[in-house]
Amino acid sequence: RKEVEQDPGPFNVPEGATVAFNCTYSNSASQSFFWYRQDCRKEPKLLMSVYSSGNEDGRFTAQLNRASQYISLLIRDSKLSDSATYLCVVNGDNFNKFYFGSGTKLNVKP
Amino acid sequence: GAVVSQHPSWVICKSGTSVKIECRSLDFQATTMFWYRQFPKQSLMLMATSNEGSKATYEQGVEKDKFLINHASLTLSTLTVTSAHPEDSSFYICSATGLAGGQNTGELFFGEGSRLTVL
Repeated sequence: RKEVEQDPGPFNVPEGATVAFNCTYSNSASQSFFWYRQDCRKEPKLLMSVYSSGNEDGRFTAQLNRASQYISLLIRDSKLSDSATYLCVVNGDNFNKFYFGSGTKLNVKP
Repeated sequence: GAVVSQHPSWVICKSGTSVKIECRSLDFQATTMFWYRQFPKQSLMLMATSNEGSKATYEQGVEKDKFLINHASLTLSTLTVTSAHPEDSSFYICSATGLAGGQNTGELFFGEGSRLTVL
């Protein structure tokens, strides 16, 4: 079983839609969780860290469910510029070990 | 925030030559560096993990004699693709984690990536 699993998509949604991605992780001892965004032919950039209590940044909301071992990312009022691949990253019980999901591709269409 | 600088951003070389890619942490001590490879329309693939001053740990299927990694200081790691061939053409990205102000940075910071094309 992979350490981190994501639905590769693509998710094709119209502008203004709300879209949610989930990511499951296998190591219950995982400490830190992140969502990164990667545009085509660019390096991943941190979108947001995911805290136990959940956190929101503008149109983006991230949540952690430790019992079911998944994290989620909700994007409200999708913009064309949100089109990208969203990577789920989980830090293991060792700060020097990071596990990546395969990424979920989002296409926001006019 | 912490910055990782990677260069060259792109390189074209002849088959059989070696190419060195550098990754520098600019405002934190990169105790651990990760090197990835990404082929078009595929996800990041971890190649190796290196801790400063130690030999790199390579993922299964990655040839350590072909992809030489050096992490001799807390601010610099290099990846050398030796005797490059067209199938080595890819997007190579480094990332780092470590200490800033004495505290673990927690997250990963990525370099800008290096696009290698081997003719």
